[in-house]
Amino acid sequence: AQSVAQPEDQVNVAEGNPLTVKCTYSVSGNPYLFWYVQYPNRGLQFLLKYITGDNLVKGSYGFEAEFNKSQTSFHLKKPSALVSDSALYFCAVRDPNYGGSQGNLIFGKGTKLSVKP
Amino acid sequence: DVKVTQSSRYLVKRTGEKVFLECVQDMDHENMFWYRQDPGLGLRLIYFSYDVKMKEKGDIPEGYSVSREKKERFSLILESASTNQTSMYLCASSPGTRRGYTFGSGTRLTVV
Repeated sequence: AQSVAQPEDQVNVAEGNPLTVKCTYSVSGNPYLFWYVQYPNRGLQFLLKYITGDNLVKGSYGFEAEFNKSQTSFHLKKPSALVSDSALYFCAVRDPNYGGSQGNLIFGKGTKLSVKP
Repeated sequence: DVKVTQSSRYLVKRTGEKVFLECVQDMDHENMFWYRQDPGLGLRLIYFSYDVKMKEKGDIPEGYSVSREKKERFSLILESASTNQTSMYLCASSPGTRRGYTFGSGTRLTVV
């Protein structure tokens, strides 16, 4: 079965330090991978995606993610965290077997990022 | 920018009421989705639609129905609201999975 996992419920980082939010996946075929961010009482906002091409993907707000096929991972990173980065982060992967020819996205359970001053 | 608009940010309804959650997108996307979000459970797909008058069940359709009479509007219906349907409801639309999804701001529904 296709799946996506975010192994950490919460990540705590000091402001100015690098941050990593982990995501691993299991899908057949070529994965489409996404990261979304959710601020309190808001919907999800798109951060970045990997469809094909360069394994290092740059996205909004200084975030980047590296696609690692051998480790089936797509970790979200930022070199220097800001307090305003504190939010809930979701990884998503396309499931080609779910939802017709395009495949629907399946989402991880989310990781709460807390950045302290 | 694509906008996905959910008609209410907060709703309080009584047990047994019929509840309508409305979602409208303005970019002619074919695909629309309804999720509910609960702490520790992430996003769970309730229903989705790939075209007008078309609907497909997601992972947790029980107690819900949907309507898509026009391309831009996808409505979620709680036929008889129950307290276990208290949740955050998120609507999304997409032109295709490669482009990702655009989400509305969510409706926080409380059933009392």
